[in-house]
Parts: sequence; C-alpha cells; structure tokens
Amino acid sequence: GNSVTQMEGPVTLSEEAFLTINCTYTATGYPSLFWYVQYPGEGLQLLLKATKADDKGSNKGFEATYRKETTSFHLEKGSVQVSDSAVYFCALGYSSASKIIFGSGTRLSIRP
Amino acid sequence: EAGVVQSPRYKIIEKKQPVAFWCNPISGHNTLYWYLQNLGQGPELLIRYENEEAVDDSQLPKDRFSAERLKGVDSTLKIQPAELGDSAVYLCASSLRTGVQETQYFGPGTRLLVL
Repeated sequence: GNSVTQMEGPVTLSEEAFLTINCTYTATGYPSLFWYVQYPGEGLQLLLKATKADDKGSNKGFEATYRKETTSFHLEKGSVQVSDSAVYFCALGYSSASKIIFGSGTRLSIRP
Repeated sequence: EAGVVQSPRYKIIEKKQPVAFWCNPISGHNTLYWYLQNLGQGPELLIRYENEEAVDDSQLPKDRFSAERLKGVDSTLKIQPAELGDSAVYLCASSLRTGVQETQYFGPGTRLLVL
C-alpha cells in the first residue's frame, strides 16, 4: 500500500545551520507530495508541495524536489531560524481520492 | 478570513463516557475531513465528507464512532462509549474540491484524554 517514511526526530540544530529532513515514499501511480508544518498549539499548515516528478516546491526558504527515481522528497533549508522549531510532516496524496497519507512527523528544535 | 474552528480544544473524560467534538470549516469549503492523530504519529483519516455526504468512512470505527455534517457546513464527531485508547488529538480539516489536488486547511485540533 501507499506509505510515507521520514527520519525520526528530534532534530536539534543551531541557528543558521543547514537543514535536511529525509522523506521517502511508497506509492502506485503519480501522487502529489507535500510537506506540512505544525507549530506548537496550532493546526497543520501546508508548507510546500510538488505535483509531478522533478518539480521543486518552495516556501519560506524551504525547498523539496520530487525525485521519482529515488522515491524521495527531502526537505531542505539553507539557514534555519529559531522560529522554524516545529514538527514537520511529509505526506502524499491523490487528487482523485482527495486523501492524504502522512508520515509520522519529525520534531525540529533550533537553538539560538 | 477565519480558519477552521474546532471546539473544545481540550477534553478530559472517564472511560465509558460519551464525548463530542465540533468543527466549523472555512466558509465555502465543500469537503470536510476528520483525522485522528496519536502521540508521535501523523494524522490518519477517519472520515471525509463532500457536502453532506460521507464519501470515505472506511477507517471510522463504527461500533463507537459516529459523525454527521448536517446542511453540509458544520460537523460533529462523537465517541460513545470512549475507551482509554481513544486518547489522542482529533483534527478537522476542510478544502474546496475542484478536481485537482486541493489544499487541506487544518484546525488546531481537540486533545482528548480518557481516564
């Protein structure tokens, strides 16, 4: 079946460090891929998405590229800030089913 | 524009008691979702509505869970009776279904603790 696997947390970095959170997926067909972020006490927010192979999603300095050959969608940011501390979820979805399957989440903590 | 509203934000009950959660989606959104999020896990879909119709309830434990979306706007999710294992966060989301992969907007969730 369809599934998403992401690196376990917590991930702790110093401010201005480079961030990578790994995400791989198993899916049939051609899903869209997403990264959602959940700040403390808030609901999930869509951070970025990519709808087909080789697409790059980007937002707020974060980027992820849809790699069909490696079934991956790794999240990267060149210089993290304290305000980026949150839980990040990788997910896949199909427009025909309007259903999203989430990974287990990665908690990110940034030290000043 | 107001986001997805959920209430209550927190609920503590004893096992075997009933509990209900309420969701008000973003105005104009025809699709509404209820998700269950266990501690340290990603959300899992319980039920999806398109307007008033439940189009995907395959993951809803129907022996104790029920949901309704009267008039295709607000929705209520109920558990009766609650069990210890139901302790989790219950998330509501809404979207405007347009035939392409739409963005789901999530509420803050209701955190349930069953004692």
